[in-house]
Amino acid sequence: AQSVTQLGSHVSVSEGALVLLRCNYSSSVPPYLFWYVQYPNQGLQLLLKYTTGATLVKGINGFEAEFKKSETSFHLTKPSAHMSDAAEYFCAVSDDYKLSFGAGTTVTVRA
Amino acid sequence: GAVVSQHPSRVICKSGTSVKIECRSLDFQATTMFWYRQFPKQSLMLMATSNEGSKATYEQGVEKDKFLINHASLTLSTLTVTSAHPEDSSFYICSAWQGETQYFGPGTRLLVL
Repeated sequence: AQSVTQLGSHVSVSEGALVLLRCNYSSSVPPYLFWYVQYPNQGLQLLLKYTTGATLVKGINGFEAEFKKSETSFHLTKPSAHMSDAAEYFCAVSDDYKLSFGAGTTVTVRA
Repeated sequence: GAVVSQHPSRVICKSGTSVKIECRSLDFQATTMFWYRQFPKQSLMLMATSNEGSKATYEQGVEKDKFLINHASLTLSTLTVTSAHPEDSSFYICSAWQGETQYFGPGTRLLVL
């Protein structure tokens, strides 16, 4: 079975600073990996995904993530945080069309 | 991207009553949809997989008689919480795959008094 570990339940950054959210996964097969963002009382919005091909994946809102098979990681980054980036972020791995989610990381952005 | 809608967005009901939540794929067909439950400050937990034209598949620990799922068409799945109790209060989210991406509905906040 697949599983996802997100290191750090809460990340606080200054506006303009680097955002780094960590995600490690376990999978018995080549994984499909996803990052989703959730704003309060809303569903999940896809930020980016890795399926095959290029290991550096660019998503919406300036986010990107790199798939590192040797480290079983899929960390999410954004060079410069914006106030609108404050939200909950979930890393997920697919297993036979089911998604397994990490526990989530809450991002707060300080002015 | 694809759009998944849910109705209602919020519902308050009395303990013991049943509540139906609809999930629709607006611009694509979905033979399979998924229902998740999310408690405050927690991650999403898969409850069941809804299959068009056949029985839903429930995850371990989810009561199938309490959470009735019907997937009557390629664009609609419904989740009925029967005899709801306060502990059923939660945020319910549905989703469906289109291509290589799973798209999520906006969620339904259920409060059982």
